[in-house]
Amino acid sequence: ETGVTQTPRHLVMGMTNKKSLKCEQHLGHNAMYWYKQSAKKPLELMFVYSLEERVENNSVPSRFSPECPNSSHLFLHLHTLQPEDSALYLCASSQDSGTNYGYTFGSGTRLTVV
Amino acid sequence: TQLLEQSPQFLSIQEGENLTVYCNSSSVFSSLQWYRQEPGEGPVLLVTVVTGGEVKKLKRLTFQFGDARKDSSLHITAAQTGDTGLYLCAGAGVDGGSQGNLIFGKGTKLSVKP
Repeated sequence: ETGVTQTPRHLVMGMTNKKSLKCEQHLGHNAMYWYKQSAKKPLELMFVYSLEERVENNSVPSRFSPECPNSSHLFLHLHTLQPEDSALYLCASSQDSGTNYGYTFGSGTRLTVV
Repeated sequence: TQLLEQSPQFLSIQEGENLTVYCNSSSVFSSLQWYRQEPGEGPVLLVTVVTGGEVKKLKRLTFQFGDARKDSSLHITAAQTGDTGLYLCAGAGVDGGSQGNLIFGKGTKLSVKP
């Protein structure tokens, strides 16, 4: 499978649940990202991984916990979320973490916190 | 305030019409990227512009990077229903700093009616 694949596509969870979002890329890219997309806001960068090392954490609440076990896989672990965390969570990858390269995005996980 | 302002926010036109959407900033970027995002999907890279004054054409789409590298425009000729989507601009290397990560605008939501 080519491109960036995200699972699940849709997720409804209660505020006390624990769930994980998964992202997979087989493009040979070295950098992977998590973005949050909410209505009426620009894409918000959450985490950046380059060669499996976290290089940026944009003041994201600790209820979001990323994990990058290898260069092809990225997870976002969720626990005790709030309703305002409901959004589209997008994973992206790029050749390298420099912005000379375009990003390849997955289709996203539509998260609803109830 | 947004670093990248996109206008208009919404645009609804008939098939066959021409349109231009804008991406403006008071900051200088080393490059700008344009993405299109369809409902339920992630953004897809259309083009990257890196040189002030650069013009790139992609079939009916024409992209221009301002001479001062602070703004960009996207012109669509003879719009088709398949052009419907959210058009996002993203800037890199703001004000000559390190490449860092992409900064996204809120987007222009285009609807092309048959």
